[in-house]
Amino acid sequence: KNEVEQSPQNLTAQEGEFITINCSYSVGISALHWLQQHPGGGIVSLFMLSSGKKKHGRLIATINIQEKHSSLHITASHPRDSAVYICAVPHFGNEKLTFGTGTRLTIIP
Amino acid sequence: DVKVTQSSRYLVKRTGEKVFLECVQDMDHENMFWYRQDPGLGLRLIYFSYDVKMKEKGDIPEGYSVSREKKERFSLILESASTNQTSMYLCASATDFGNTIYFGEGSWLTVV
Repeated sequence: KNEVEQSPQNLTAQEGEFITINCSYSVGISALHWLQQHPGGGIVSLFMLSSGKKKHGRLIATINIQEKHSSLHITASHPRDSAVYICAVPHFGNEKLTFGTGTRLTIIP
Repeated sequence: DVKVTQSSRYLVKRTGEKVFLECVQDMDHENMFWYRQDPGLGLRLIYFSYDVKMKEKGDIPEGYSVSREKKERFSLILESASTNQTSMYLCASATDFGNTIYFGEGSWLTVV
């Protein structure tokens, strides 16, 4: 069993739809990262959160530490949101991140 | 604007060649990382460095070495490239994992 699992692996939606991507983890964490990777490779950090909820524009990230689960939501999705979304968790006591394998999101106009 | 810069975006090398991938960050971060990304496997940590001249092995260090002579620069070295090292390599830096991690644009390496 992977230490960090994301679902779904692939998601296609129409422009304007509400999007949810889930991340479940089995390792202990101090903070969880949500990352965005566009075609071409570069990765951008969207959120780092250790409790509750964070919002940035149309993006909302939530985390439930007890249930070891986080979600990334996108409201009013747009084709430019098409990307791979990756969650990553650090291990207690060291600087290593374990990554999920990513969710490929495609928003159709 | 913060920056992690990887010197080469696309490289094609022959089996057995020595390959250097360079990464420079301008944020005075202590921690720097090299990952490789392969389809279906996600990002895997090769090496990381938490200070100048300090390094630690990640999950897949075999076939790689690193150098960090200056705080801003972290180099990944493939001593003798092999075809199974064909991959996309990502460099990253961070102050610590309580804060944001910044990634470079990636280096696509093909070993033929």
